[in-house]
Amino acid sequence: KQEVTQIPAALSVPEGENLVLNCSFTDSAIYNLQWFRQDPGKGLTSLLLIQSSQREQTSGRLNASLDKSSGRSTLYIAASQPGDSATYLCAVRGFNFGNEKLTFGTGTRLTIIP
Amino acid sequence: SQTIHQWPATLVQPVGSPLSLECTVEGTSNPNLYWYRQAAGRGLQLLFYSVGIGQISSEVPQNLSASRPQDRQFILSSKKLLLSDSGFYLCAWSVKLGGGSIEAFFGQGTRLTVV
Repeated sequence: KQEVTQIPAALSVPEGENLVLNCSFTDSAIYNLQWFRQDPGKGLTSLLLIQSSQREQTSGRLNASLDKSSGRSTLYIAASQPGDSATYLCAVRGFNFGNEKLTFGTGTRLTIIP
Repeated sequence: SQTIHQWPATLVQPVGSPLSLECTVEGTSNPNLYWYRQAAGRGLQLLFYSVGIGQISSEVPQNLSASRPQDRQFILSSKKLLLSDSGFYLCAWSVKLGGGSIEAFFGQGTRLTVV
């Protein structure tokens, strides 16, 4: 059974700093990995998707890396801003055709201090 | 472009009352559809998923059921709500390409409080 862990559960950093969020998963046989952002009381917004054959993906100030063999992914946020404050979730998708389940971590709650 | 609509945004229901949450997707056809629940302090739990009309798979035995009467409509229901059904319910869809999904997109969620 796939298990996804995100550490730390919460993180506070001053504005302008670069930061890294961590995600680890127990079963390396994944199809892809997706990072989401969730604002309080809202749905999930997709940030980045990394296919299992890829090593990283970039979107603006965000960069996600994937090391499938070690079961790890990181989300790098450059030059953090107060608007980046949110909960960040990673999720992995397995290889079960017709069963496109995402297994989620419990998230990292990020607070950017102005 | 594709959009997903989920309603209502918030709902307060008494114990024992019925429930119906609706989700519709626009701009795509034959998507995979999902219902997740997010309880306070816990991760997202997959409740149901559907790969086509009338095809529903349940992940967790519970007081809830799901139906897909149309290609882009997914409904979460209960005949009698329990206190433990309180939570944040999220609908999601994903594109199917060949045998696998590419990316998942989520609705804005429904905050259900059972009193």
